[in-house]
Amino acid sequence: DTGVSQDPRHKITKRGQNVTFRCDPISEHNRLYWYRQTLGQGPEFLTYFQNEAQLEKSRLLSDRFSAERPKGSFSTLEIQRTEQGDSAMYLCASSWGDSPQETQYFGPGTRLLVL
Amino acid sequence: DAKTTQPNSMESNEEEPVHLPCNHSTISGTDYIHWYRQLPSQGPEYVIHGLTSNVNNRMASLAIAEDRKSSTLILHRATLRDAAVYYCILRDRYSGAGSYQLTFGKGTKLSVIP
Repeated sequence: DTGVSQDPRHKITKRGQNVTFRCDPISEHNRLYWYRQTLGQGPEFLTYFQNEAQLEKSRLLSDRFSAERPKGSFSTLEIQRTEQGDSAMYLCASSWGDSPQETQYFGPGTRLLVL
Repeated sequence: DAKTTQPNSMESNEEEPVHLPCNHSTISGTDYIHWYRQLPSQGPEYVIHGLTSNVNNRMASLAIAEDRKSSTLILHRATLRDAAVYYCILRDRYSGAGSYQLTFGKGTKLSVIP
């Protein structure tokens, strides 16, 4: 098991463009999370999936953001019409189980810079 | 999740013990105390968690005050690889809306001096 992987690791885009990030969780993990982290801050929750169902979304997830997890495997996070304020590290995590105490395993993140 | 308070930064000499404090005066009886750390340019990683009793694992020890209003993460021998931001997070033991995500503060940035 190679852990959680994210692609790309870095993305530079121009304001107004659309970007899509991919997360491959640890196989068999049923929960998948997306977080966003800006410089000097801790990660902030965006959304999470249990299998293929998106169960919670943060108010940080504006209408320009959409996430999917088809077939309960990998997940994608798309940002439409990017803004400079979207510049951040986007982290994916996965976990297994039904308990709120379950350990979350994080990927290395995708660093987005919007020019 | 209830709020936690941690110092912004701490320093330690290599191979010495490190005690990282966390205050959580509004903790509820059903909150577990979790610690994660984030090494430079990496995603966070789990360190340890506990409810009431002190806990030990291969990475660290967690000492929980009797009134549970504070806790201390103990690294027994700091190495250069332990330089990271350490986050103290409370998680309710019961499931429900908002219970599964981690709520991070700013954490404590630990510097290890060779």
